[in-house]
Amino acid sequence: KNQVEQSPQSLIILEGKNCTLQCNYTVSPFSNLRWYKQDTGRGPVSLTIMTFSENTKSNGRYTATLDADTKQSSLHITASQLSDSASYICVVSAKAAGNKLTFGGGTRVLVKP
Amino acid sequence: DAGITQSPRHKVTETGTPVTLRCHQTENHRYMYWYRQDPGHGLRLIHYSYGVKDTDKGEVSDGYSVSRSKTEDFLLTLESATSSQTSVYFCAIDSGGDTDTQYFGPGTRLTVL
Repeated sequence: KNQVEQSPQSLIILEGKNCTLQCNYTVSPFSNLRWYKQDTGRGPVSLTIMTFSENTKSNGRYTATLDADTKQSSLHITASQLSDSASYICVVSAKAAGNKLTFGGGTRVLVKP
Repeated sequence: DAGITQSPRHKVTETGTPVTLRCHQTENHRYMYWYRQDPGHGLRLIHYSYGVKDTDKGEVSDGYSVSRSKTEDFLLTLESATSSQTSVYFCAIDSGGDTDTQYFGPGTRLTVL
């Protein structure tokens, strides 16, 4: 069964600090890995998409890494801001009809001043 | 925001009643999806559509049906709502490419009493 596990479930960081979120997956055959940001009460918004051949991708202060051999990904947030408070969801796509995605449970990040 | 709207945004209903949620897009994307999001679970696919009148089941399709009579509209129907269907429902769209961003709507919060 395809699965995506994220850790930690939640974390609190001080404004201006960095943090790293982890994602492990068992999805086969692998197509790509995505990170989404979901603000409270809103739909997820895509941050990055990485294919098998990509091992890092950035979007502003967000940097995602992918190790396809160990089936792990991380999302690094640099110089956190209050607006980074949200849930971050790791999503893995398998090569299958309908572009079906497997979603992790998310990491809830709270940035405090 | 991508041109996706969902209606209603909030609904409270009673067990046993039928409920229809609507997703409307202005992007002319081929693929449309319905997900539910519950605490402790990642987003889970209910049904998806790959064209007008073309739909298929996701992983949690029991108790739900869908219809797509126009490219822009995708309806989700709970034939006889149960308390276990209390959830937040998200519609999403993409054009079907492996690395295409999937855009999510704002969500519908449904409570079944």
